[in-house]
Amino acid sequence: DSGVTQTPKHLITATGQRVTLRCSPRSGDLSVYWYQQSLDQGLQFLIQYYNGEERAKGNILERFSAQQFPDLHSELNLSSLELGDSALYFCASSVTGSRATNEKLFFGSGTQLSVL
Amino acid sequence: DAKTTQPNSMESNEEEPVHLPCNHSTISGTDYIHWYRQLPSQGPEYVIHGLTSNVNNRMASLAIAEDRKSSTLILHRATLRDAAVYYCILPSTGNQFYFGTGTSLTVIP
Repeated sequence: DSGVTQTPKHLITATGQRVTLRCSPRSGDLSVYWYQQSLDQGLQFLIQYYNGEERAKGNILERFSAQQFPDLHSELNLSSLELGDSALYFCASSVTGSRATNEKLFFGSGTQLSVL
Repeated sequence: DAKTTQPNSMESNEEEPVHLPCNHSTISGTDYIHWYRQLPSQGPEYVIHGLTSNVNNRMASLAIAEDRKSSTLILHRATLRDAAVYYCILPSTGNQFYFGTGTSLTVIP
């Protein structure tokens, strides 16, 4: 158990809908990362938050948004869903996400999103 | 971001050592080398990381070339539970991890 909690584990929805994925980082971790994993794209970095502030953006679509709340949990909002958004969405956390590159990432078990 | 190159797949017999190579010829002096693995239907998990010296932990060893342009993850005795995709990553400044395609390890009983 990594200590990172993601809910729900599975989500089935229809095209055009909006969903919210939730992540609780490990106790004490200030930085949260979101990743998308699909069969044809592999693990794609979407966005990183540190202590409530956006720190870095990766390949995140404009239809997607995220935020990190004062209690450090994070939510990833996916709107106007398309069939191609079907994927595993992972959340990870680290202590600070500092400028150094020696921090470990701890991943949750993911949310499987199916868009029908 | 510094890139890494890994073989797409490797096979190993159970209980034998496995050497998983990674090339990172554009590595900078302050880049740490990280290895993660992803078991089927699970999130990636940390394996090991290092900067210059070889590193050991309970899961594996990391051998880093003297010029740091390549590294090797060593699993001392492969078990069936080690079958996974192994990723070699050089995080960018700010600790963003960009995962490549990794090496899919098959362990043969």
